[in-house]
Amino acid sequence: AAGVIQSPRHLIKEKRETATLKCYPIPRHDTVYWYQQGPGQDPQFLISFYEKMQSDKGSIPDRFSAQQFSDYHSELNMSSLELGDSALYFCASSRLGARDNEQFFGPGTRLTVL
Amino acid sequence: DQQVKQNSPSLSVQEGRISILNCDYTNSMFDYFLWYKKYPAEGPTFLISISSIKDKNEDGRFTVFLNKSAKHLSLHIVPSQPGDSAVYFCAASAGGQNFVFGPGTRLSVLP
Repeated sequence: AAGVIQSPRHLIKEKRETATLKCYPIPRHDTVYWYQQGPGQDPQFLISFYEKMQSDKGSIPDRFSAQQFSDYHSELNMSSLELGDSALYFCASSRLGARDNEQFFGPGTRLTVL
Repeated sequence: DQQVKQNSPSLSVQEGRISILNCDYTNSMFDYFLWYKKYPAEGPTFLISISSIKDKNEDGRFTVFLNKSAKHLSLHIVPSQPGDSAVYFCAASAGGQNFVFGPGTRLSVLP
């Protein structure tokens, strides 16, 4: 069965650079979530989109922005990168009304900021 | 202040025995809870859920118990298997959409 795809899997950037992370949800899923997991920390919710509209916002820095496109894939844009942005970024997708409100997670993108 | 707490960072149990993972929350608006399992280099995978209208949900070897008055839930795995060794996250939501995760408990099942 198709899963959530995230690209790239690994990304190395320098301070003050920009990065774009991509997420391709499971087909027919209409909601995408972004989470950030720092080293030794629990996943923190950043932002979510339902039907291409932002549905909720968590602890996402102003330097970050995201959107969901017409094909339901989502991109997380990160600018003026800081060392503290080094983390594993998970994308999850779900379908409104599905059993258990289950979110299916992608494998994550590991961002390292040097 | 962390809204979802998993006070045991790690737990070791013998194969065949019961594993009990605990989770406490502070937000009384939380009404839906999930347990996720995570292997290294993979995203979290869904295990089992429970809503606040129930106090127990069972799925095979996994049972989740919810004590609303104590704001406490626990995941029981019985019998534990070596393949269960992973990090287990408790997640809570008010309304079932966006979830707050706990810090995780690393379970090691020893053969």
